[in-house]
Amino acid sequence: EPEVTQTPSHQVTQMGQEVILRCVPISNHLYFYWYRQILGQKVEFLVSFYNNEISEKSEIFDDQFSVERPDGSNFTLKIRSTKLEDSAMYFCASSFRGYEQYFGPGTRLTVT
Amino acid sequence: QKEVEQNSGPLSVPEGAIASLNCTYSDRGSQSFFWYRQYSGKSPELIMFIYSNGDKEDGRFTAQLNKASQYVSLLIRDSQPSDSATYLCAVTEGGSEKLVFGKGMKLTVNP
Repeated sequence: EPEVTQTPSHQVTQMGQEVILRCVPISNHLYFYWYRQILGQKVEFLVSFYNNEISEKSEIFDDQFSVERPDGSNFTLKIRSTKLEDSAMYFCASSFRGYEQYFGPGTRLTVT
Repeated sequence: QKEVEQNSGPLSVPEGAIASLNCTYSDRGSQSFFWYRQYSGKSPELIMFIYSNGDKEDGRFTAQLNKASQYVSLLIRDSQPSDSATYLCAVTEGGSEKLVFGKGMKLTVNP
């Protein structure tokens, strides 16, 4: 069964550094998302992406965040200057028709 | 602020019993409703979705939606120890694909 994949599984970075989290959505899916989950808290929406542009973003997704689909398979989330409070699990999700969303295994980001 | 509320739990049931999980949502414009299962340290796994009032069954799982009362529930029949996980309710608003999640309900199925 096709799955969303994410790399790396764990990323440790220092405050102020840039990180790029990578995702390979399910191959025939057209809608892509990033969510995050701070330890012990709810899963929170960050951004949705369709037809090579952002379709919706949350208040969390400020100028420090960006997304890109650099080729036909990858979908990336960049955090330009990480803060301690960016430490969380970051989940990529994809959807064929914008309804049912399937999540990847996540990247644990630790900012020190 | 759109809210999705779940009973904080935890819920503990014996093996073979029916587990009942409930969720309420604040936005009357919500259109799509999802249940995800999340094992500890893992990502959310989609197990059920429902878009219309009424019941939807898939194997041992039944999702129930009542838009007038703004609640959605998940029943797990013949609960198994492998069902032990946190169950997340998620809702989308009209015109949006954004999933709004509840805090989750931790279910433990005791052998």
